[in-house]
Amino acid sequence: GQQLNQSPQSMFIQEGEDVSMNCTSSSIFNTWLWYKQDPGEGPVLLIALYKAGELTSNGRLTAQFGITRKDSFLNISASIPSDVGIYFCAGPPLIQGAQKLVFGQGTRLTINP
Amino acid sequence: DAGVIQSPRHEVTEMGQEVTLRCKPISGHDYLFWYRQTMMRGLELLIYFNNNVPIDDSGMPEDRFSAKMPNASFSTLKIQPSEPRDSAVYFCASSSGQPLGNTIYFGEGSWLTVV
Repeated sequence: GQQLNQSPQSMFIQEGEDVSMNCTSSSIFNTWLWYKQDPGEGPVLLIALYKAGELTSNGRLTAQFGITRKDSFLNISASIPSDVGIYFCAGPPLIQGAQKLVFGQGTRLTINP
Repeated sequence: DAGVIQSPRHEVTEMGQEVTLRCKPISGHDYLFWYRQTMMRGLELLIYFNNNVPIDDSGMPEDRFSAKMPNASFSTLKIQPSEPRDSAVYFCASSSGQPLGNTIYFGEGSWLTVV
């Protein structure tokens, strides 16, 4: 089945630094989603991308849908302590009628104050 | 509006016991999903329902797992008998369908430990 590969698996940064993570697939996705999971909580949607090449921002977060439709990246500018958590990319597989999401393995972000 | 509600939040049980996890989706949502999260395998879709009907259960690990959705406001995931390798966080999510990405909401999860 279609799988999403995220990198890096974990990041340790200083508060105030910018963060960049990406997600790749061997096959095409028509939608790319980025979620964040806080400790002890379920994933929450951050940004949704629906068109190849689309660049979308949500506050300090920026995400892009790759032109090839096989990748996406998420950037966080000027990180703050509440950015700590696990970031997942996700997308619906290209199966007719499928209404489900597959998730990447996640990027765990740790911030040193 | 209340979000997706799961119970129990935490459960510790002995190997061989039956475990039942419960989920109340967001009112009006037609889709309900059960995911399992582990360190090794990440977030895996177990099964999803549309209008209370199971659509895709290809992610259900084995016969020990079963899921039901008797009505639009309630679903259960049952493990019988439970094994230590079933220890994980089980998430329920619901969606109004279109576009899927913008409308799927997760519950806070049920943290299961099988000893």
